[in-house]
Amino acid sequence: QKEVEQDPGPLSVPEGAIVSLNCTYSNSAFQYFMWYRQYSRKGPELLMYTYSSGNKEDGRFTAQVDKSSKYISLFIRDSQPSDSATYLCAMIPNTGNQFYFGTGTSLTVIP
Amino acid sequence: GAGVSQSPSNKVTEKGKDVELRCDPISGHTALYWYRQRLGQGLEFLIYFQGNSAPDKSGLPSDRFSAERTGESVSTLTIQRTQQEDSAVYLCASSATGKQPQHFGDGTRLSIL
Repeated sequence: QKEVEQDPGPLSVPEGAIVSLNCTYSNSAFQYFMWYRQYSRKGPELLMYTYSSGNKEDGRFTAQVDKSSKYISLFIRDSQPSDSATYLCAMIPNTGNQFYFGTGTSLTVIP
Repeated sequence: GAGVSQSPSNKVTEKGKDVELRCDPISGHTALYWYRQRLGQGLEFLIYFQGNSAPDKSGLPSDRFSAERTGESVSTLTIQRTQQEDSAVYLCASSATGKQPQHFGDGTRLSIL
């Protein structure tokens, strides 16, 4: 079993839709959680960074962490064509410094 | 401010040749990571540097791969006797400390003919 599981998609939604992206993980020691956006031929770009359980909102983006279920989500409201990209989740345990990445979900927002 | 810079952005070389990839991290970032990303795949951890500590080399796939970093500055990833399976995007990332989010460069696209 992989440390971090992420549905690769592809996911295709109409402009204005609410998008839900998810990752599950197996290691209960993960404490720090991130979401990255990666456009084609570019490096991943940090979107959200959260510590432990709860919600964090930044503009149209909301990150949610449920440690009891070992499940994290990224919600995108009022999705735009410019949101079309691959979204990667990442997490770090409280000991050690290696990041664990999901394989990414490909999202297309259709105008 | 300047982000993570990688060079070259693209590299095409013949099988068996050595290649050297360069990463300039964000100034002041003590942690530096190298990853490999094959087409349509996730990020594969290669090596991690933290300040002057011994690097974590646990992700290097073979002894043909090596990396260096002097202090908290530039890092180079060297692949010797390249093979076709080495074709991938090599991404570098840096962070202020080991627990802070990583900031990525745009990668070096390596193609082995």
